[in-house]
Formats: sequence, C-alpha cells, structure tokens
Amino acid sequence: SAVISQKPSRDICQRGTSLTIQCQVDSQVTMMFWYRQQPGQSLTLIATANQGSEATYESGFVIDKFPISRPNLTFSTLTVSNMSPEDSSIYLCSVGLGQATDTQYFGPGTRLTVL
Amino acid sequence: AQSVSQHNHHVILSEAASLELGCNYSYGGTVNLFWYVQYPGQHLQLLLKYFSGDPLVKGIKGFEAEFIKSKFSFNLRKPSVQWSDTAEYFCAVCSGGYNKLIFGAGTRLAVHP
Repeated sequence: SAVISQKPSRDICQRGTSLTIQCQVDSQVTMMFWYRQQPGQSLTLIATANQGSEATYESGFVIDKFPISRPNLTFSTLTVSNMSPEDSSIYLCSVGLGQATDTQYFGPGTRLTVL
Repeated sequence: AQSVSQHNHHVILSEAASLELGCNYSYGGTVNLFWYVQYPGQHLQLLLKYFSGDPLVKGIKGFEAEFIKSKFSFNLRKPSVQWSDTAEYFCAVCSGGYNKLIFGAGTRLAVHP
C-alpha cells in the first residue's frame, strides 16, 4: 500500500474564491486520481492526474473549474476555482500502484465548505 | 453506462448477527470488484477485492464476498458482526482496461452492542 496525505484536511471558503488541495504520496506511483464525495452521496471520479501531461477529466468536470497539476510521481494538486456552495464536498486523492485496473488507495480527504 | 447498485442504504444490527450487503453492477465485460470501508472519522480503506480465480474472496476482519458472474453481483458477508464494524461500506467496480472506479451509493451499518 501507500501512505497518502492531503492538505488542508478541511477549509471553509467564501463564494468566488479558489482553493488548492495538495496530495502527497510516500512513494512513486503510476496513477493518481481525484474524487469528489458530495454530502450524503458516493464518490465520483473528477479526473486522472497524469504526470507530465494534462489531466484526463470525466464527463461533467472541466479543467477551468478543477485545474490539476502533477509535477512528479509523488505529488498532485487539485484547485477548486470560483467556488460556490454547490462545491461543498469532500475531495479525495487516490493512487494506483500497478496496472490501470489495480487497487486504488485513498487519502484522508479534504472537507470543503463554501459559504 | 456502467453503474453499481447497493440495495441497502442503512442497516442496523445487533452484535453477533449475520451481515449481508448487496452489490450489483451493470457491465458485460471483465471487471475488477472491490469493497471499501470507511470507519467513523477515518479515511476509505480497502476491505477486499476480486480480480480473478476463486469467486469467494476473504478480506480483513472476517469479511468475505462472493462474485456471482451470472447475477452481476458481489455481495459482502460476515457471519457475526461486532460493534467495531459500524461504518459505511462501498462497493466499487473497475472495468477491464480502464482506471475508472465506479462506486455504489454506500451502505451505512450501525451495530448495537
């Protein structure tokens, strides 16, 4: 497995501002992902963070709203831009250690509240 | 579109009761199947997984799950639950060749002493 940390663990933000969430892994990993868990709902994949190239976004998520960086094999950031109360969610980073369909391990999540 | 259905959203049991949580998925090809658990205040953890081979897989803490291909199901079981099993349980599917994990809605399990 891998040890994954996220910063911040929680934040309360004002409408219209942006927040950048960091994900750090204790070892080099092939795949990193960002998920959203809205209140009372399940996890939804936002995008796959690709090292050295643009992230791959799922339907309903766009780069302007959720820009992602992945400068190396142990670190990624997700920015939630121009926030509205609907963006209040838990944002989770996950990593895959092997093949594309292998097990994913999840970080502790960042609980975001937008006022 | 692929989807995962968990039929029970809330389950309340007494300690020592048996548990079965249902999970069905819609995808006709090769799939990898997972159960994740989220204990109160903790992050999501892998409980067990099925990739191939014996359709009855055993996970941590006495949990097991059975893959029934003909029924597109991957139900989670435990013969005797404990108070410490109180958590939310998520079934997830990853279809062959893709890295997208599709999660079910989750089942909140409360075990009373």
